[in-house]
Amino acid sequence: GEDVEQSLFLSVREGDSSVINCTYTDSSSTYLYWYKQEPGAGLQLLTYIFSNMDMKQDQRLTVLLNKKDKHLSLRIADTQTGDSAIYFCAERGMNTGNQFYFGTGTSLTVIP
Amino acid sequence: DTAVSQTPKYLVTQMGNDKSIKCEQNLGHDTMYWYKQDSKKFLKIMFSYNNKELIINETVPNRFSPKSPDKAHLNLHINSLELGDSAVYFCASSQDMGVEAFFGQGTRLTVV
Repeated sequence: GEDVEQSLFLSVREGDSSVINCTYTDSSSTYLYWYKQEPGAGLQLLTYIFSNMDMKQDQRLTVLLNKKDKHLSLRIADTQTGDSAIYFCAERGMNTGNQFYFGTGTSLTVIP
Repeated sequence: DTAVSQTPKYLVTQMGNDKSIKCEQNLGHDTMYWYKQDSKKFLKIMFSYNNKELIINETVPNRFSPKSPDKAHLNLHINSLELGDSAVYFCASSQDMGVEAFFGQGTRLTVV
């Protein structure tokens, strides 16, 4: 399988920006994703980016993709306590048989 | 209407038993997946299946087998359960060339 790495924990104060980073190995990745998992729940798609894009913005979320370095980041502006969750980076590409490979997950804690 | 539904939500069973987890999707997707999430929240793909092929992650023991009675269902059968099988199992589905994978709410399996 492919390797998708993330740091495990991140704490931020309410109102600050959060940046969650991810590195991946599959150079054939077509799409890269950010999923959110709240406690006791399944994964919900937050946003995704096509591999020929560098950046995508969606309200408070900004995704940056550096394809050369195989680095993906998610910035959450004005982080709220409701943003506390585990965030998973995922990639999908031809080398993975179009399967979705997930990172280790980053547990985001927002401090009031 | 629930898009991807799994049953049961919780399953407690003894070592050595055989059990099944059911998954159904009403999205008309042609590909379904099973993922295992361990106690550290790491999410690993186990299987992906569409009407053309079954892709098995090589690390999955052959005690685990997916069964698809039709395109909308992919059930997970586990034989001779072991303590290390305790985890949360997620079913997901997507269109073969679609962008997003939709996840069920998970089944928490506890082997005692």
